Formats: sequence, C-alpha cells, structure tokens
Amino acid sequence: AQSVTQLGSHVSVSEGALVLLRCNYSSSVPPYLFWYVQYPNQGLQLLLKYTTGATLVKGINGFEAEFKKSETSFHLTKPSAHMSDAAEYFCAVAPNNFNKFYFGSGTKLNVKP
Amino acid sequence: DTAVSQTPKYLVTQMGNDKSIKCEQNLGHDTMYWYKQDSKKFLKIMFSYNNKELIINETVPNRFSPKSPDKAHLNLHINSLELGDSAVYFCASSQGGKETQYFGPGTRLLVL
Repeated sequence: AQSVTQLGSHVSVSEGALVLLRCNYSSSVPPYLFWYVQYPNQGLQLLLKYTTGATLVKGINGFEAEFKKSETSFHLTKPSAHMSDAAEYFCAVAPNNFNKFYFGSGTKLNVKP
Repeated sequence: DTAVSQTPKYLVTQMGNDKSIKCEQNLGHDTMYWYKQDSKKFLKIMFSYNNKELIINETVPNRFSPKSPDKAHLNLHINSLELGDSAVYFCASSQGGKETQYFGPGTRLLVL
C-alpha cells in the first residue's frame, strides 16, 4: 500500500529564512512525486513534480525538491521565505500502475515578519 | 480562461436535502476526479473517471453518485445530505492517471 507522510502539520519560519517541508513516502517502486500549494480559500496548485531523470526538481516561486530514493523522501525547500509563501503545502504520490494520487495530510507554513 | 471550474462555489443546505455540484474542464484531459477536504485539510479521493468510465470508487456512501456525461464534465450528486458531508469538494483533471492534476476552486458545502 502507498502512503505519504508529511512531518509537521505546522511550520513557522521568519521572512528570509530557509523553508524546509518534509515528505516521506512508502512505495515498492519509485512513484511520481508532487508538491502542491493551497492558498486560503483556493484550490490546489502544482509547485513541482518528479517523474524520472534529475533528482533535484525546480518549481515555481523559487521552490525546489530533491528525490532521495534511499531515504524515500521528497522534501521541499526554498532558500528564503516570503510572506506570500504562507499557505498549506501538500505532498502527493502517484504510483506507476494505476490512476490514483495519495496526498499527505498537509503542512501549514506560517511566515513571520 | 478557467481550466477547471466548479459550480456552485458555496452551498448551504439542510440535512436530508439532495444537491448537485458540477465540474467542467477545458484542458482536453481524459481523467477527472472528485476529492473531499475535511476541516483538518485532509484531502481524500472519492471518485476517478477516465473517458467517462468509473476507475476509482473509494469507500464512499451510496448517497454520493458521480456522473460523467462527457470527458469534459464530472458532476457529483449527493442524496439525503448529512452533517458529516460538510466539507470542501474539489474537482480535478489530468491527462492520464498519474500525470499532474489540475484542481478547481472547490465547492464549500455546509449542511445545517
């Protein structure tokens, strides 16, 4: 069975500080991996995704994530947080063999001035 | 142009009523989904349709019935609404089952 674990339901950083949001998955084979962002009262928007190839993936708004197979992780980072980054972030896994996404429980990012 | 649209955006209704939520995508995708997001922001898939055929039907009460008249539309009908149905319902679409999903803005359902 697939599962996605996001460590930390709430993360708070200061503006300008490093953002690190953690995501671990369980899968027998490397799945497709995604990070989505949800701003208040809006739908989910894709930040970045990993399918194959280069393990460091760059996304929108300065975010990037690195796929580490040995650690079954896909942590999301941004070198310098902006106030506008405050939102809910979801990690998602799509197994290779059927039509389904598994979402993590989400991490709410708070950015302090 | 809105890629994935849902109507209505807000829905407030009484217990026991029947209501429908509509979803349309203009991306030419072949797969559409319904998700339920509860008050704790947990996102759970309910249904998935590929080329108008039901692919995924999670453990959802029979009161929920999806209908896909064509590839661009996936509607959700809910019978005999209960308090626990209060949530935000998201429609999404993708090209193929494991590609990027594009989400609608959500329908906020409140059952009183």
